[in-house]
Amino acid sequence: NAGVTQTPKFQVLKTGQSMTLQCAQDMNHNSMYWYRQDPGMGLRLIYYSASEGTTDKGEVPNGYNVSRLNKREFSLRLESAAPSQTSVYFCASSDPSGTEKGRWHFGDGTRLSIL
Amino acid sequence: SQKIEQNSEALNIQEGKTATLTCNYTNYSPAYLQWYRQDPGRGPVFLLLIRENEKEKRKERLKVTFDTTLKQSLFHITASQPADSATYLCARSNSGNTPLVFGKGTRLSVIA
Repeated sequence: NAGVTQTPKFQVLKTGQSMTLQCAQDMNHNSMYWYRQDPGMGLRLIYYSASEGTTDKGEVPNGYNVSRLNKREFSLRLESAAPSQTSVYFCASSDPSGTEKGRWHFGDGTRLSIL
Repeated sequence: SQKIEQNSEALNIQEGKTATLTCNYTNYSPAYLQWYRQDPGRGPVFLLLIRENEKEKRKERLKVTFDTTLKQSLFHITASQPADSATYLCARSNSGNTPLVFGKGTRLSVIA
């Protein structure tokens, strides 16, 4: 099993450009999440999807949109990138009702720099 | 709001000693506390989960405790090794369906 796969691993953008970060999981998990990690700030929740067809805002949703394309895939879109969005973005998945209840799986992140 | 605090940003210990990391939470007791390990350039990896009604959980050299009176979880690594050097994250959840709230992490360095 690949677990949670994020693409791309690195990206440099100019202010105002748009891009979509991709995330896919192969564990048949219902719930998926997007976090950003900044030095001294820890992991902060951007958006999450408790199940296919639903999405909810987290702590820092401004400037982002998400799409739960199907059960496997959850993408994060920056419509007009700003330098404040320079960060490492992590996607995660979990299965609240399954045998691994409570255990989360993370991808290895997308390192995004906005100039 | 629900907060998780890991008071030590960094901790250095000698190889073979027991490392103890602290995680404090505010407001009401979470249903779960979880501990993750994060290596540079990698995503967090799940280590242990402890429920509100559990006092202690063990896995090999790892032990985690949950004290609802002190609003605190302690994470112990016994017989520490240089390979245990990493950042350790504490996280809380109110149920299996709610997102995790993470602490800022403690960077552990085990010195040979």
